[in-house]
Amino acid sequence: GAVVSQHPSWVICKSGTSVKIECRSLDFQATTMFWYRQFPKQSLMLMATSNEGSKATYEQGVEKDKFLINHASLTLSTLTVTSAHPEDSSFYICSGLHQETQYFGPGTRLLVL
Amino acid sequence: AQSVTQPDIHITVSEGASLELRCNYSYGATPYLFWYVQSPGQGLQLLLKYFSGDTLVQGIKGFEAEFKRSQSSFNLRKPSVHWSDAAEYFCAVAAGSSGNTPLVFGKGTRLSVIA
Repeated sequence: GAVVSQHPSWVICKSGTSVKIECRSLDFQATTMFWYRQFPKQSLMLMATSNEGSKATYEQGVEKDKFLINHASLTLSTLTVTSAHPEDSSFYICSGLHQETQYFGPGTRLLVL
Repeated sequence: AQSVTQPDIHITVSEGASLELRCNYSYGATPYLFWYVQSPGQGLQLLLKYFSGDTLVQGIKGFEAEFKRSQSSFNLRKPSVHWSDAAEYFCAVAAGSSGNTPLVFGKGTRLSVIA
């Protein structure tokens, strides 16, 4: 149980375009989801907390207008990277909160050319 | 602010040998502690967690961890390592007073397993 999926798993885009990443809880309802970013050989850094039906809470230094988060249902949160630039290239991982435990998706690798 | 220290960046063990990965946390109250494993290019899989109660917790894949408040530690152990255990291991603590808060991760320990 407590499975989280992400789509796409890989995305390559041109600089200046926008990319949407989906995070779904498959067998539980996730009122809260989290978005993390992981650079190569580094740990996970929290970007934002996504709550169903309300605005996301962003960590200091994360631009809310660049990383748009929508949590419109209890099983889906989306992260849109707007006007992506090469420095946005990274591994993005989401998690769904279930019974005080975070269950992680498989991640999305974004490469901006 | 809460923090997690994993002192070992990389550990190499022989298959069949025992394993202990160290984790120290900084948190004033009773922490919510987790161990996750990440294979290359993959997401994180929960190995085990500690919220309260018995300080020795059992997890999946034969892993266990012991919470020691006096040492602010939550070390992960396995009696006999398998080649498939090679991966990155992350210790994490909940940032707040419950598990419903974001996680603060250590920098991870990469485990290599040799024949």
